[in-house]
Amino acid sequence: GIQVEQSPPDLILQEGANSTLRCNFSDSVNNLQWFHQNPWGQLINLFYIPSGTKQNGRLSATTVATERYSLLYISSSQTTDSGVYFCALADRGSTLGRLYFGRGTQLTVWP
Amino acid sequence: DTGVSQNPRHKITKRGQNVTFRCDPISEHNRLYWYRQTLGQGPEFLTYFQNEAQLEKSRLLSDRFSAERPKGSFSTLEIQRTEQGDSAMYLCASSFPPDQITDTQYFGPGTRLTVL
Repeated sequence: GIQVEQSPPDLILQEGANSTLRCNFSDSVNNLQWFHQNPWGQLINLFYIPSGTKQNGRLSATTVATERYSLLYISSSQTTDSGVYFCALADRGSTLGRLYFGRGTQLTVWP
Repeated sequence: DTGVSQNPRHKITKRGQNVTFRCDPISEHNRLYWYRQTLGQGPEFLTYFQNEAQLEKSRLLSDRFSAERPKGSFSTLEIQRTEQGDSAMYLCASSFPPDQITDTQYFGPGTRLTVL
C-alpha cells in the first residue's frame, strides 16, 4: 500500500505562533484529507485536498501532487488547536476509497 | 445532518467474550468504512461496504471478525473470542462520492474497546 510519512511527530507551541505540518507520500493519490483528532478521539475533517490550495479561517493546506507532498498551515494557534493531525490518502490506482493514514503530528499549544 | 454515530462509545470485556459494535452512517451515504486505531498510530483500514455489499477486507480482519450492512444503512462489526490485542478504538466512516475519484470520508466518534 501507499506509504504516508508525517513530520514533525511532535510540535509544542505558544499560543499565537504559526506552524507548518508536512505529509509526504509514496505514490500518486486520488484523495488526500487532513483531519484533526481531538482528545476524545473524534476525527474532524479539515480539508479534502488532492491538489492545489485551500483556506479555512486560520488553517490552510497545499498539496503538490507531482512532488508527492502536502502541507497544513496553522496560523495564530490557539489552545483548542491541540490534538493530533492526520494526513490520509487513497491510492490513485484504486477507486474504492480505502484511506492510508500517517502516524500523525501531536500538536500541543500552551497558553 | 446528524453525523456518523457509533454505539457503544466504550466497551470493556473479558478475554474470550464476543462483542458487537454498531455504526449509523450519515443518511444517504452509500459507502461505509471500518478502521481500527491503536495507541500512537493512525487508523488502519479494516473493511468497506458500498450499499450492502462488502467489497474489500483488510488482512487485519481475521476470521474472528465479521462485519455486516444488511440493508445498506447501519453496519455492525462483531469480534468473536476477543483477545487482549483487540483492544483499540474502532472507527466508522461514511461517504457519498459524486464520482469514482472524489470521496470525502466523515468519521464517527469511535468505540473504544478494552479487553481484560
